[in-house]
Amino acid sequence: DAKTTQPPSMDCAEGRAANLPCNHSTISGNEYVYWYRQIHSQGPQYIIHGLKNNETNEMASLIITEDRKSSTLILPHATLRDTAVYYCTPLASNTGKLIFGQGTTLQVKP
Amino acid sequence: KAGVTQTPRYLIKTRGQQVTLSCSPISGHRSVSWYQQTPGQGLQFLFEYFSETQRNKGNFPGRFSGRQFSNSRSEMNVSTLELGDSALYLCASRGAISYNEQFFGPGTRLTVL
Repeated sequence: DAKTTQPPSMDCAEGRAANLPCNHSTISGNEYVYWYRQIHSQGPQYIIHGLKNNETNEMASLIITEDRKSSTLILPHATLRDTAVYYCTPLASNTGKLIFGQGTTLQVKP
Repeated sequence: KAGVTQTPRYLIKTRGQQVTLSCSPISGHRSVSWYQQTPGQGLQFLFEYFSETQRNKGNFPGRFSGRQFSNSRSEMNVSTLELGDSALYLCASRGAISYNEQFFGPGTRLTVL
């Protein structure tokens, strides 16, 4: 299983972009990069995933480096409700077994 | 579309007892996974069921077991409870289209006294 490294915590001002990095240098060629977040006392929530191209959805954007060893999740206009622990995890197709590291606690401040 | 539901939401048991937790996946989802989350160990994978068959299993003792019914609802059972089993138990379902996108329920908070 590939390991990930994320900063333990980050702050972001409300309305500004939050950029959350993740290092996954041992990711395998068939593994996608998935991002989830967990708001206190709730189950994890899927955000976005990608293989090697940048991706965007209604929640966030995902930038993956060309060598696929790292990625950045971008919340373009952070709100107080985005305060949560954010996890990146490599996941091979059809595996279904999420492995979360310690994640990054994002605190959005007014 | 209704989300993943788990019952009960909170449970208090004593050592040596057994417990059964229930999970109803999103309608049409045939895969259900179970996870244990604790502050010290983080999120740990227990097992995954697909079409009533266990297709993947984590590193937990045999006291932890599960099953899935024909309507895709799943149960997990923990026998001979230990204090260390106190945790948030999460279930997640996924469908065929967004195959790796897992939808989590709110979890069952189990406290073992």
